[in-house]
Formats: sequence, structure tokens, C-alpha cells
Amino acid sequence: DTEVTQTPKHLVMGMTNKKSLKCEQHMGHRAMYWYKQKAKKPPELMFVYSYEKLSINESVPSRFSPECPNSSLLNLHLHALQPEDSALYLCASSHPTGVGLNQPQHFGDGTRLSIL
Amino acid sequence: GIQVEQSPPDLILQEGANSTLRCNFSDSVNNLQWFHQNPWGQLINLFYIPSGTKQNGRLSATTVATERYSLLYISSSQTTDSGVYFCAVSGAGSYQLTFGKGTKLSVIP
Repeated sequence: DTEVTQTPKHLVMGMTNKKSLKCEQHMGHRAMYWYKQKAKKPPELMFVYSYEKLSINESVPSRFSPECPNSSLLNLHLHALQPEDSALYLCASSHPTGVGLNQPQHFGDGTRLSIL
Repeated sequence: GIQVEQSPPDLILQEGANSTLRCNFSDSVNNLQWFHQNPWGQLINLFYIPSGTKQNGRLSATTVATERYSLLYISSSQTTDSGVYFCAVSGAGSYQLTFGKGTKLSVIP
């Protein structure tokens, strides 16, 4: 789903570095998500923002800090990561849930993160 | 939470063959999506299908919500169909999209 844009596509960082992953969508979606995917595993939900407010935090370590500065942007700030944090990080967006069927989630191409 | 089981875990097909992938889920769902993750990691939306039947070219999907399963049909498979196929579901009013473990498809010439 190229309507959700993630940058950078690849990131290599040391354990003491601070970096940020960025996600942008212009579909008018008011729910945005971060997922983490380890090799040969399915994606796992990390955070959900609904109407720019943090709605779900799936017990993610504090070295991952999400931010939603406006309805189109979602950031994930990284600090003091561990080698086991190396993974594909996927951003998604959707219309918010409400009465009736939940709306489909649209995924970006991901950022492949390697921690040295 | 909702449990999602996909079968088979691995599938090897000759180019041109047809296949059926299955997704069973443990509770009623308000969202069911099928994705294809290609070898480069891109997660591509195939179908949004909480119930009913849809078709898109060589692919079609059917969800029988009352019996808690969904099927993805791939006809006349091509090598570009290779990758992992995920089924993902969420319950009523939930943002939590739960993925199955996937079916790894390899299409050989």
C-alpha cells in the first residue's frame, strides 16, 4: 500500500544512537499504528493513535517513544535500542473504529532497522 | 483475544497450479483482511472481507463469518505469487488486528 509512506527504508544504528522513523498518510485516516515484525513472524501491534491521541500501548519498552504531531504524521523515536530490536517496523492507517464493521488497515512498506 | 490459525504453513506449487489457503478464527470478527508479504517485506492488501465473497483477477476470497473461517483462492499461480500470505482479524470496536502465522507459498517454474 504505497498510500502510506515510511522513511527511511533502511536504518542501521548503534545502541547509543537516537533516531526517528517517520510515517505519513494523506487518506484522511484518523487512526495510525506502529507494528514490529521479526523475521519469519507475523506483525505485532506496538501502538495505536486515534484522533492524534495514544489509544493503545502494547507494553512496549520506553526506549520506543511514539509521537503523532498531526493527523497525517506518525513518528517513532528510538533511543538506546538493543540488538533484539532489529526488525521490520511497519506503519499503518485506517478510519477509526465505530459502530458497525471495523475499517481496513493500510500498511506502508516498512523501515528495516538493524541495531549494531 | 481472538486466535487465528492459518493452514497450510508451507505450500509449494508448480507454476499454473491452483491453491486454497485457509484461515480459522476463534470469535466473531468485524474486520478480516488478507495480505501478501513479498520477499522484499512489502505487506500488500489483497482483500478486506469480514463476510461474503470477493474476486480480484486470479485471486478470490470467501469468508463464512458464522462458521469462523475464510478461504483465499489463487488460480493459475505465477512465480510472482511467492511470499507469505497473512490473514488478520479484529473484533467489534477493536483496533487490535491479530495476524495468523501465515502461509509461505513458493511457486516454482
